[in-house]
Amino acid sequence: EPEVTQTPSHQVTQMGQEVILRCVPISNHLYFYWYRQILGQKVEFLVSFYNNEISEKSEIFDDQFSVERPDGSNFTLKIRSTKLEDSAMYFCASRFQGPQHFGDGTRLSIL
Amino acid sequence: GENVEQHPSTLSVQEGDSAVIKCTYSDSASNYFPWYKQELGKRPQLIIDIRSNVGEKKDQRIAVTLNKTAKHFSLHITETQPEDSAVYFCAASKTGGGADGLTFGKGTHLIIQP
Repeated sequence: EPEVTQTPSHQVTQMGQEVILRCVPISNHLYFYWYRQILGQKVEFLVSFYNNEISEKSEIFDDQFSVERPDGSNFTLKIRSTKLEDSAMYFCASRFQGPQHFGDGTRLSIL
Repeated sequence: GENVEQHPSTLSVQEGDSAVIKCTYSDSASNYFPWYKQELGKRPQLIIDIRSNVGEKKDQRIAVTLNKTAKHFSLHITETQPEDSAVYFCAASKTGGGADGLTFGKGTHLIIQP
């Protein structure tokens, strides 16, 4: 069964640095999402992306965040100037017509 | 925006017994309600979902019920097994289609006692 893949599995970054999280959605999927999950808390929606543009974003997705689909397979989340509170598990998800399928996540640790 | 409340936060049941997890939502425009299971350190995986034109849906030992008037929905797991131990999240979205994001509940840690 095809899966959403995310790299890296764990990213450690100094506060203030830029970080890029990468996702390869399932190949025929059209809708792409990023979520985050702070340790022990619920999964929170960040942004959705369709037809090469942002469709919906939450209050969390402020100017320090951006998303991009640089080619036909990758979907990236960039955090420009990381803060301690950005430490979380970041999940990418994708869908075609059915439910959203999640990747294994990238654990982002900000020092 | 949508707010999803989930109870209980922890549920411990004897193996073989049933487990029920309840969620309420605030936005009457929500029409799609999935349930995800998340094992420690792993991705959330969809186990069942329901749309608002249906009151109940079953898949083997798992069932979901929806009361649109009261804005609540529940997950029922019968004949629980050790592999059912995990965190379960309910979620809601307006359509479940397009690019709608999911609003999740805080999760229920289900513990199956042998």
